[in-house]
Amino acid sequence: GAGVSQSPSNKVTEKGKDVELRCDPISGHTALYWYRQSLGQGLEFLIYFQGNSAPDKSGLPSDRFSAERTGGSVSTLTIQRTQQEDSAVYLCASSLQGAHSGNTIYFGEGSWLTVV
Amino acid sequence: KQEVTQIPAALSVPEGENLVLNCSFTDSAIYNLQWFRQDPGKGLTSLLLIQSSQREQTSGRLNASLDKSSGRSTLYIAASQPGDSATYLCAVRPIAGNQFYFGTGTSLTVIP
Repeated sequence: GAGVSQSPSNKVTEKGKDVELRCDPISGHTALYWYRQSLGQGLEFLIYFQGNSAPDKSGLPSDRFSAERTGGSVSTLTIQRTQQEDSAVYLCASSLQGAHSGNTIYFGEGSWLTVV
Repeated sequence: KQEVTQIPAALSVPEGENLVLNCSFTDSAIYNLQWFRQDPGKGLTSLLLIQSSQREQTSGRLNASLDKSSGRSTLYIAASQPGDSATYLCAVRPIAGNQFYFGTGTSLTVIP
């Protein structure tokens, strides 16, 4: 597609349930990022994928969070046993090359997660 | 750890005014700096990207400057319009590491 696509756009889930959020980056982009934006907060880095390299998971807040990127394209962020503090907008971004290429990064519209 | 600050947190101006948004960062060892716009309920839209070797970038009514040694960037918006109303975020990419560090943004309202 023309831009970064994320689904679902909105998700309401019960506390304790697992959720999966999907990101489809711009075609040909090798770098993919997940960020989280909580109400009134700045963007918080979660995870970074670059090509076939091992992902940088340094931003994942707990072991309930995991992400994978299949075939160097689509990525799924999974949150297990959701808690109310997980409520946030989860933003995915991609860039043509890796973090130190100087390329612009492009964001999707986000997945709005509400845990009740 | 890189810290990014944006001042003011909110700004309201009448249509037609020129305005400046400020971004400061604590570690000057950056690769580049990017300015974004975020409309309510939407993702981020890239406005301008400045490489560490550059002093400024221009796109239409927008001009971004970078003073790496002092840890500052400004976004200048000329002849503001109501459609410019949004939250403006700056993000720096350090030389080390893979992530961008974001400021908390400046919420701009342009009054018709």
